[in-house]
Amino acid sequence: DQQVKQNSPSLSVQEGRISILNCDYTNSMFDYFLWYKKYPAEGPTFLISISSIKDKNEDGRFTVFLNKSAKHLSLHIVPSQPGDSAVYFCAATYTNAGKSTFGDGTTLTVKP
Amino acid sequence: EAGVAQSPRYKIIEKRQSVAFWCNPISGHATLYWYQQILGQGPKLLIQFQNNGVVDDSQLPKDRFSAERLKGVDSTLKIQPAKLEDSAVYLCASSFTSGSQNEQFFGPGTRLTVL
Repeated sequence: DQQVKQNSPSLSVQEGRISILNCDYTNSMFDYFLWYKKYPAEGPTFLISISSIKDKNEDGRFTVFLNKSAKHLSLHIVPSQPGDSAVYFCAATYTNAGKSTFGDGTTLTVKP
Repeated sequence: EAGVAQSPRYKIIEKRQSVAFWCNPISGHATLYWYQQILGQGPKLLIQFQNNGVVDDSQLPKDRFSAERLKGVDSTLKIQPAKLEDSAVYLCASSFTSGSQNEQFFGPGTRLTVL
């Protein structure tokens, strides 16, 4: 039973446009969500996070939205740049758990 | 600040052989994680240490996998004997504490191929 799902394996957008990556979860105990970015041959790196007490968190070009009732979150990248091309993982955790449960990732390609 | 170090970066072995991976976390990070990432999937937690104690090893196949963090700093993950399905990237990560809001810092991973 996969508790964190990223249903789009890949996404392609034009440079300068918006990229929207989606993530769904099933465990209502999750109260903290993170997005990681991964380049080939490197480990994932932390990008942005959101607590379940918020519905939006913004950091520069990156914004994460959380819809608790729908158990859905999304990552918006505006404007998209070729350097954003990578695999993006959604991860979820809950208080005192420490460990994160990851989705299978979405490969984003930003075309110049 | 130095990142999480892992070695080797690549390893090819035959099934039934043994293999060991090493990880040195970021200095001062109490929590260390080992993940298995199979191609096309997200990282799956194998074991989590808090200092030198095991916090969670519920998904570690204990009949063949073992891990230790004897002095609460670096860690080794061993597979004995290896199976074909163990082919994956093994990621080590560390965080300052084990709290849910602590981001994890990942090493580059060890790509294991079992023939």
